[in-house]
Formats: sequence, C-alpha cells, structure tokens
Amino acid sequence: QKEVEQNSGPLSVPEGAIASLNCTYSDRVSQSFFWYRQYSGKSPELIMSIYSNGDKEDGRFTAQLNKASQYVSLLIRDSQPSDSATYLCAGFSAGGTSYGKLTFGQGTILTVHP
Amino acid sequence: GAVVSQHPSRVICKSGTSVKIECRSLDFQATTMFWYRQFPKQSLMLMATSNEGSKATYEQGVEKDKFLINHASLTLSTLTVTSAHPEDSSFYICSARGGLAESYNEQFFGPGTRLTVL
Repeated sequence: QKEVEQNSGPLSVPEGAIASLNCTYSDRVSQSFFWYRQYSGKSPELIMSIYSNGDKEDGRFTAQLNKASQYVSLLIRDSQPSDSATYLCAGFSAGGTSYGKLTFGQGTILTVHP
Repeated sequence: GAVVSQHPSRVICKSGTSVKIECRSLDFQATTMFWYRQFPKQSLMLMATSNEGSKATYEQGVEKDKFLINHASLTLSTLTVTSAHPEDSSFYICSARGGLAESYNEQFFGPGTRLTVL
C-alpha cells in the first residue's frame, strides 16, 4: 500500500456544488495531515491541517479525519471556478529514516465549471 | 500562514554553469527546510532535508555533490545546482517548518524557482 493515496480523479463539479476529495494512508504515516492546493505553474499552498479525529471547518473547507479507517477527506462547499486546481493530501511521516518529512499523495485535479 | 520567499523566481542558464537558489522564512525561524523538485504534470519529489547548522540529508538517488545545500541560519537555506545540464531543468520549490508549537509539523512552501538549462 502506498503511504498516502488519493482518489486520482480528475474530478469535475458544477459551480456551487460540494467537491469531495479523499485520501487514505498507511501505518507509516503519522496522525498529522495536511491539504495543499496547487495551481498550475505555482507552488503548493497549505489550506487545511488536521490532527484530531473528526471534522475541522475553515470557511468553505472542511477536513475530516478518521483514524480507525485511516482516511482523511476535504470537502469544498459552494465550489467556485477559482477552486480549480490540483489538491495534494500529505501526511507527516511517523518514523525511521522518513521521520519529519511530508509524504504526498499523487494529487487530485479538481475542475469547477460555471 | 507563515511566509517563505524564494529567489530567483526564474532563471535561464547555459549548460555547465552553477545556479544558486535562496529560500528564506520571513516571519518565523525555520528549524528545518526542505527542497523539492517537480517536473511537469508530476508530483513533488523531495530532494533533501536541511537543518540549521548541520549537513543536509539527501533522498536516495539525489547527488549531494551536484545539489549543494547550505542552511546557515534559521531563516535562510540555499540550493546550488552545480554544472547544470538540460535534464536539471525543473521547478525547484523549498518549504520551511518550525513555526508555532501547535502547527510545528506544517510546512509552508516558497513560490518556487523555474530553472531552464539551455
């Protein structure tokens, strides 16, 4: 199993809809998770971090973490065309030679069409 | 979030020359900085981890003599691509970690440097 795996997409939603991005992780990744947004040609931008089981809301974004299922998700409510980007799920590596690093999923391309 | 800057944003150089890229954390002290490379339509690839005052730790397959990293202070790390060749052309991005305790594991990325080697 990959350490961090995202549903590969691409995902296309209409403007105003809820976009749901999903990610699973292995035991080698710790309990800290992050969602980054990367526009084409730009560097990643941190939009959400989540450390505890449950939901965390910030504006139109909600991150959900389920440690029992090793699952983390990002919901974007009222999606806008400006949300169109690649979304990267990342986990903090738990130990061994990878300690302290972020492990990224392969990214999900989201397109919000008017 | 914390602010990380990178300079230059874009560089074009001739094959065989060396290029230095600077990464600065502007509003916090970065105990650890990371250097990534990203080829078009591919995911981020971690090249090395650098801690202030110590030698960088390179990922497998990354030549430490080609990609020189210096982390001289808590706010500055540099990556030097020595004797650059066209295959080194890529998007180089740094990130920094080490802000507030509650967000210690968060990494903040610089804007990236696009290197083109002719």
